[in-house]
Amino acid sequence: EAGVTQFPSHSVIEKGQTVTLRCDPISGHDNLYWYRRVMGKEIKFLLHFVKESKQDESGMPNNRFLAERTGGTYSTLKVQPAELEDSGVYFCASSLGQGGEQFFGPGTRLTVL
Amino acid sequence: GEDVEQSLFLSVREGDSSVINCTYTDSSSTYLYWYKQEPGAGLQLLTYIFSNMDMKQDQRLTVLLNKKDKHLSLRIADTQTGDSAIYFCAEKFESASKIIFGSGTRLSIRP
Repeated sequence: EAGVTQFPSHSVIEKGQTVTLRCDPISGHDNLYWYRRVMGKEIKFLLHFVKESKQDESGMPNNRFLAERTGGTYSTLKVQPAELEDSGVYFCASSLGQGGEQFFGPGTRLTVL
Repeated sequence: GEDVEQSLFLSVREGDSSVINCTYTDSSSTYLYWYKQEPGAGLQLLTYIFSNMDMKQDQRLTVLLNKKDKHLSLRIADTQTGDSAIYFCAEKFESASKIIFGSGTRLSIRP
């Protein structure tokens, strides 16, 4: 069974540009989460989808970040316009049930120059 | 409040035991986790403990929980080179979606 996959693995963009990260959860997992680790600090929660609905988006830093999960399968996280402080590793996770184990993807390393 | 803290680095000799420590602030957390991240890989759930437990042992791993001091530790016996990774301490509340992570402890193994 395939795990959580993320694309791209690494993205380098200039300040002011737009970047879209993609996450494919484990097949059948209704719950999808985004986290990020900035500057080697703690990994912070961004938001949680149940199917296509946003269950909790309390961790989204500002309105430059837009997460979608149309159709309730894969999800995208768009940063527009990107700022220097957005550099970090963005992790996606999925779980079968809301309280179930969250399985993490390998992350996307975003570098904003 | 929500805060999980752990030291950033730990270096141990191969074959020795590694002990990674973590403190957390919210006593109402239900689950306490240890995740492992190897280079280029995602986060792997290594082990977890329920907040009503004091200890959990799983092969070379021992997790100790001191609820009074809000202190969690992970002991790796007979540390091997394959144990080199970043170890994240984390907590989760029963009703919440999110996992709250610490900054991670980078474990390096010296010969």
